[in-house]
Amino acid sequence: GENVEQHPSTLSVQEGDSAVIKCTYSDSASNYFPWYKQELGKRPQLIIDIRSNVGEKKDQRIAVTLNKTAKHFSLHITETQPEDSAVYFCAASRPLNSGYALNFGKGTSLLVTP
Amino acid sequence: KAGVTQTPRYLIKTRGQQVTLSCSPISGHRSVSWYQQTPGQGLQFLFEYFSETQRNKGNFPGRFSGRQFSNSRSEMNVSTLELGDSALYLCASSLGAGNNGQPQHFGDGTRLSIL
Repeated sequence: GENVEQHPSTLSVQEGDSAVIKCTYSDSASNYFPWYKQELGKRPQLIIDIRSNVGEKKDQRIAVTLNKTAKHFSLHITETQPEDSAVYFCAASRPLNSGYALNFGKGTSLLVTP
Repeated sequence: KAGVTQTPRYLIKTRGQQVTLSCSPISGHRSVSWYQQTPGQGLQFLFEYFSETQRNKGNFPGRFSGRQFSNSRSEMNVSTLELGDSALYLCASSLGAGNNGQPQHFGDGTRLSIL
């Protein structure tokens, strides 16, 4: 099956700095890579996603890059703000049977200090 | 559009009992996936339903089962509860057709505590 590794497990940055979270996956058939943000006590929320035919995608202060050859993808948050503090999960989706399977990394707890 | 709705939000059970959790997907979404979230293991895939059929299943024992109704609402059942089943159970819905990954939208989850 798919194995998704996520690093670091915790990350502390100062407000205004950039934050980078990296993930690797094992199954070359994986074709869709979403990122979720989960604030304490709340549901995971999809913040950005990328498909395997795209190398980079940006949405305001967040961006995701994908290197299919190396099987890794990264989340970049620029100009961080205290409200960016949350746990971030990466995931990789691969075709399975007539549907698909989404496997998550273990999460990165991001703390943005004022 | 209403989001994914899960009921109940909280449940307290004792070992050996069984429990049923419910999930109503976003209108028009036909796929419902269930996940178990714990501090140690993160988000683990339980199973996925599409058009009332289980398409995929994760590595959980047979005590965990589910079903999906014709209106795409889904239920998950856990029998013979164990202490280790204490977790947040999340469901997520997506449009679902085909085997290319699609955005999944999560509900608030059901917090299950086993005493």
